[in-house]
Amino acid sequence: AQTVTQSQPEMSVQEAETVTLSCTYDTSESDYYLFWYKQPPSRQMILVIRQEAYKQQNATENRFSVNFQKAAKSFSLKISDSQLGDAAMYFCAYRSGNQGAQKLVFGQGTRLTINP
Amino acid sequence: KAGVTQTPRYLIKTRGQQVTLSCSPISGHRSVSWYQQTPGQGLQFLFEYFSETQRNKGNFPGRFSGRQFSNSRSEMNVSTLELGDSALYLCASRSGPNEKLFFGSGTQLSVL
Repeated sequence: AQTVTQSQPEMSVQEAETVTLSCTYDTSESDYYLFWYKQPPSRQMILVIRQEAYKQQNATENRFSVNFQKAAKSFSLKISDSQLGDAAMYFCAYRSGNQGAQKLVFGQGTRLTINP
Repeated sequence: KAGVTQTPRYLIKTRGQQVTLSCSPISGHRSVSWYQQTPGQGLQFLFEYFSETQRNKGNFPGRFSGRQFSNSRSEMNVSTLELGDSALYLCASRSGPNEKLFFGSGTQLSVL
C-alpha cells in the first residue's frame, strides 16, 4: 500500500519570505500523481499544485513550486514571497495512475503560519 | 459554475442513530468521492462513485454506505453511529479519470 509522510506538523515563516514543506512517499508503482492541497479555516481542500510522475520537470504555479525527486521519493513544496493568505494546513497526497484505483492517499498535514 | 455543494454543514447526532449526508458535484462531473477527516486518523478515503456505480471502497465498516443518483448527486449514510464517527466528511468531484479533483467544504458530524 502507498503511504505519504509529512514530517513537519507545523511550520512558520515571515511574510514575504520563502518556506519549504517536506513530503516523502512510498510506492512500487511507476505511474502516479502527486499533489499539494491547501485547507484554510473554511475547510475546503484547494488544489495548489500537481505533478505527474512521468514528467521530469518540476511543476510551478505562480509562487508555488515543487522539488520532485523520484528516486528519493520526495516531493517538497516551496512557497515564495509568502502572504498572509497562505496560512493554512497543507496536505501532500498521492494518487495511482491506475484508473481503477484513483483514491487520494494523504499525509498528516503541515500547519503553516505566516508571521506579519 | 457552482462548486461542490455539501449539506448540511454541521450535524449533531447521538450514538446509535443514523445519518445521511448529501453532495452535489460540479455540473458535468460524473465522479464523486468521499473522504473522512479526523484529527487522529487524518484524511481517509471512503468510496468513489462514477455513473451510479461504486468504483472504489476504502477500509471502513459496512455501517458506511453510499449511493449516486442519475443526476450525479451522491449521498453517504452512516448507520448505528459511534463516537468515533465524529469527523469532517468531505465530498469531491471530477469530470473523469486523472482529472483534477474539486472538494466541497464538508459536513462536520458530531456524535454525542
